[in-house]
Amino acid sequence: DQQVKQNSPSLSVQEGRISILNCDYTNSMFDYFLWYKKYPAEGPTFLISISSIKDKNEDGRFTVFLNKSAKHLSLHIVPSQPGDSAVYFCAAIASYDKVIFGPGTSLSVIP
Amino acid sequence: KAGVTQTPRYLIKTRGQQVTLSCSPISGHRSVSWYQQTPGQGLQFLFEYFSETQRNKGNFPGRFSGRQFSNSRSEMNVSTLELGDSALYLCASSPQGAGTEAFFGQGTRLTVV
Repeated sequence: DQQVKQNSPSLSVQEGRISILNCDYTNSMFDYFLWYKKYPAEGPTFLISISSIKDKNEDGRFTVFLNKSAKHLSLHIVPSQPGDSAVYFCAAIASYDKVIFGPGTSLSVIP
Repeated sequence: KAGVTQTPRYLIKTRGQQVTLSCSPISGHRSVSWYQQTPGQGLQFLFEYFSETQRNKGNFPGRFSGRQFSNSRSEMNVSTLELGDSALYLCASSPQGAGTEAFFGQGTRLTVV
């Protein structure tokens, strides 16, 4: 039973356009969400996070939106760059419990 | 500041053998978590250690075990290896554990033949 879902295994976007990566969760106890980026042969690196008391968090080109009623969050990358091509993992935590990761979405930004 | 170091980077074992993987967290970090990554499954949480105590555990069989030493270094052991254990094993360290952003190592690629 996957508590964190990323239903798009892959996504292709033209350079300069917006990339939108989606994540859905089932556990209403999750109160903190994170996005990680992973390049091949490297470990995941932290990108951006959001607390459940907020609905938006922005950091440069990256913005995460949280819709608690829909149990949905999304990561927006604007503008997308070729160096953003990687696998993006959505993760969720419930009250300092273990971190649950989604299966990942592979983003390809085409020059 | 040195990052998270995992050794070895690559490992090939045969079914039935056991294996020990090592993780050295970032200096000062007390929490070490272990994850298994397989294609299509994302990162599956194995367990978390904090100050030498297992604080959280995922849904893996008892063949998977771990420990943490007083210097926060952690080891993960898998006994009676199965072909399905072939995966990338990632270690993550964080200052206080879940709720804070974790720093991952490069992982150990385990292949069971």
